[in-house]
Amino acid sequence: EVQLVESGGGLVQPGGSLRLSCAASGLTLSDHYMDWVRQAPGKGLEWVGRSRNKANSYTTQYAASVKSRFTISRDDSKNLLYLQMNSLKIEDTAVYYCTRAVAGMLDSWGQGTLVTVFS
Amino acid sequence: DIVMTQTPLSSPVTLGQPASISCRSSQSLVHSDGNTYLSWLQQRPGQPPRLLIYKISNRFSGVPDRFSGSGAGTDFTLKISRVEAEDVGVYYCMEGTQLPYTFGQGTKLEIK
Repeated sequence: EVQLVESGGGLVQPGGSLRLSCAASGLTLSDHYMDWVRQAPGKGLEWVGRSRNKANSYTTQYAASVKSRFTISRDDSKNLLYLQMNSLKIEDTAVYYCTRAVAGMLDSWGQGTLVTVFS
Repeated sequence: DIVMTQTPLSSPVTLGQPASISCRSSQSLVHSDGNTYLSWLQQRPGQPPRLLIYKISNRFSGVPDRFSGSGAGTDFTLKISRVEAEDVGVYYCMEGTQLPYTFGQGTKLEIK
């Protein structure tokens, strides 16, 4: 059974940085595309970015709203996925979910970690 | 980006009665490989989203058969044949045909 557990959320001021982690079990991380999705309080879902698998050279792609500020990386030896968030804005406040992307669907989701950007 | 539009945004339903949610995409979701990557997700209160249906009509592992999906091209529907109390939550359609993946606004299913 695939399990994804996010951590690293917290309070940060605008302009600050935070790194989220996603610990994956029940899968070999290097085989899979992994996406981050966020949900602002009381709002809908927003796709944040993707890390492709080893076979696709771990290339990444980001939503326009976070491009150049957020970076996805991974440590496959530890089965860890990361989301480095820099230059944070108030509108980045959200629960951030780690998901597995397979064939056009997001089939596994973590419980999420809350990031609050406050002034 | 593809815009996903759901209707209704709120759906009060009587237990045991059917429910239906529509989703329309701003452009065709047919991929160059011939598949249509339209999914439905359920988010129960206080929980993360959960995949219910993928590629229009395929139920994900463990999803009860009272859930069904249909549609083609740009118009899709999620149906619940007989609503149960555990079905309360918000339902999202999602396009997985091109990045960035986009979601509908969500439809809140509640019991009358």
